[in-house]
Amino acid sequence: EDQVTQSPEALRLQEGESSSLNCSYTVSGLRGLFWYRQDPGKGPEFLFTLYSAGEEKEKERLKATLTKKESFLHITAPKPEDSATYLCAVTGFADSWGKLQFGAGTQVVVTP
Amino acid sequence: DGGITQSPKYLFRKEGQNVTLSCEQNLNHDAMYWYRQDPGQGLRLIYYSQIVNDFQKGDIAEGYSVSREKKESFPLTVTSAQKNPTAFYLCASSKERTSRNEQYFGPGTRLTVT
Repeated sequence: EDQVTQSPEALRLQEGESSSLNCSYTVSGLRGLFWYRQDPGKGPEFLFTLYSAGEEKEKERLKATLTKKESFLHITAPKPEDSATYLCAVTGFADSWGKLQFGAGTQVVVTP
Repeated sequence: DGGITQSPKYLFRKEGQNVTLSCEQNLNHDAMYWYRQDPGQGLRLIYYSQIVNDFQKGDIAEGYSVSREKKESFPLTVTSAQKNPTAFYLCASSKERTSRNEQYFGPGTRLTVT
């Protein structure tokens, strides 16, 4: 069974203080790893998909990387508007198409 | 604008009543999903549908039912058999097998059962 563990559970940053979020996963043959951002009381917003080890994707202050066992979401020089919960999810080739396994998320608070 | 709509945003029901949550998409996506989100837990899959008139149980389907009569619509009924129905419910959709399964979410419905 696929498993996804995100750490830390919560992260408090000063504006401009760069940091990284971790997503460790166990899956039989990774089909894709997904990062989402979720604001309180809203649905998750898609950020990135990573497919193979060594792949990297960037969007503004966010950069996602992937190894064979984990993914990192790097937040560079964060701003208060980057405050959100960041969710990681995986799907494997052994899974029914469409099934994602989500982690519990990392809640990020960026203070001015 | 293309997107996924869920209604209502907040829903209150008495214990023992069935309730139906609406989900509509105009993205022309083939697949649709229902998730449940509880504090401190990851999203859990309730049901999913890859094509019209077909759907599969997810990890926590007990106490829920769905239908997929139209490509655009995937309503979820929370029945009185669901023991802990109070939660945040999220609907999502994705393209069919031509894509890599990026799922796009609606704004959610918060259901409170007392």
